[in-house]
Amino acid sequence: DIVVTQSPDSLAVSLGERATINCKSSQSVLYSSINKNYFAWYQQKPGQPPRLLFYWASTRESGVPDRFSASGSETDFTLTISSLQAEDVAVYYCQQYYTNPQTFGQGTKLEIK
Amino acid sequence: QLQLQESGPGLVKPSETLSLTCTVSGGSISSSGYFWGWIRQPPGKGLEWIGSISSTGSTYYNPSLKSRLTISGDTSMNLFSLRLSSVTAADTAVYYCARQAGTGSDVWGQGTLVTVSS
Repeated sequence: DIVVTQSPDSLAVSLGERATINCKSSQSVLYSSINKNYFAWYQQKPGQPPRLLFYWASTRESGVPDRFSASGSETDFTLTISSLQAEDVAVYYCQQYYTNPQTFGQGTKLEIK
Repeated sequence: QLQLQESGPGLVKPSETLSLTCTVSGGSISSSGYFWGWIRQPPGKGLEWIGSISSTGSTYYNPSLKSRLTISGDTSMNLFSLRLSSVTAADTAVYYCARQAGTGSDVWGQGTLVTVSS
C-alpha cells in the first residue's frame, strides 16, 4: 500500500495568517503518460462528510475559495490557506488515488490561534 | 444535481453482517468513467477507503477487508451496496458512499453511523 504521511497533526493559526499543511507519499503518484498526479485534498467539518478541495494535486474544485491553493508532484504535496478565515476551521485530509487501496493521510486539525 | 444517500441498520451484532445501501439520484451509476465507492471513519479517527465498483460492475477492495467484503450494484434501482461479514467492534464507524473518478471523490453521501455491539 502507498503510505501517505501528513504533517502537522494539528495547527493553530491566527485569523488572516497563512496555514500550510504537507503530505508525503511513500511512492510517486504521478501518471507520467498524462502528467497528472492522482492526489487530492479534502476539508471535513464536524458532522459533515469530507469536501473535495483539490484534485490532480493542484486543480481547485468548483466553489473552493481562491485563498486555498495546492501544489506538489510525485511524492511531496502542500495545501496552503493564504489568509485564514473562521470558516476554515476543520480537519484537512490528503489522499492518493493513484492505486488501490486508495489511502489517506491521518488528517490535520486546523484551529484558530 | 447528483446526490448520494446511505441507508441501513445503525446497530449490528458482533459476528453478524453489516449491510448498507447507497441510493444515487440525479445521475446514473452506469455513467462511464465513474466509480462508486465506500469510505469509513471510526469515531474521532481518520478516513479509510473500503472499496468501489465501476460503472461496468468491476469491483475493487481494500486488501485489509477483502475476505469479508462484497460490493455490488443494481443498475435498475440505481444503487450500490456494501456487505461486510463477521463484524467486530473495530468495524464501528461512519460509513460514507461517494462518487470517485480520476478527479478524486467529488460527491459524498452524508454518512451513516454503524455501531457494532451486542
